[in-house]
Amino acid sequence: IAGITQAPTSQILAAGRRMTLRCTQDMRHNAMYWYRQDLGLGLRLIHYSNTAGTTGKGEVPDGYSVSRANTDDFPLTLASAVPSQTSVYFCASSRQGGITYNEQFFGPGTRLTVL
Amino acid sequence: RKEVEQDPGPFNVPEGATVAFNCTYSNSASQSFFWYRQDCRKEPKLLMSVYSSGNEDGRFTAQLNRASQYISLLIRDSKLSDSATYLCVVKSVTGGGNKLTFGTGTQLKVEL
Repeated sequence: IAGITQAPTSQILAAGRRMTLRCTQDMRHNAMYWYRQDLGLGLRLIHYSNTAGTTGKGEVPDGYSVSRANTDDFPLTLASAVPSQTSVYFCASSRQGGITYNEQFFGPGTRLTVL
Repeated sequence: RKEVEQDPGPFNVPEGATVAFNCTYSNSASQSFFWYRQDCRKEPKLLMSVYSSGNEDGRFTAQLNRASQYISLLIRDSKLSDSATYLCVVKSVTGGGNKLTFGTGTQLKVEL
């Protein structure tokens, strides 16, 4: 593993189904993030985690949950998917979170379609 | 009004041309500014930070005008490989820490 990996690469999902998007980083970064990217809206933060064991809500958290059991993994769960959650999802990480800015490195993305 | 606004383009320019993108932001308390590059169907990657005094990295020059709340990116001697979407990113500090706000991006197409 080098950098950030996401799985799956793409997924078509029936509405109402539960889905977990996986994200793993091997850079020992403290902070991790989940964004969604939609045409005309740019990248929007869903949830973040400044360090293992803590999480916070971003700009568009409704319908999503996250956990951060360890430094490397930051899964994003859609408990009951809806068509409006069709999007490209990017996981990102940075050396530190909080008020100190470090460059955010992005994973390759997951293309999710909810029918 | 969006927090960060960019002209979506596309900007179609010939190879070797100079092209400039502007970005405006609405939060006067914004602290830091960046340009990210995103290739088609790929993830965003940091291109450069934008400093108050302006900064240059090879063919790329970034400028910040705090009074007018805009950021610019100038690309000289455009290459085919510069074709991408350029995202303007603004950092502000909130109760939860850093908040990065991304513009929707400006698409650049460099042609032969």
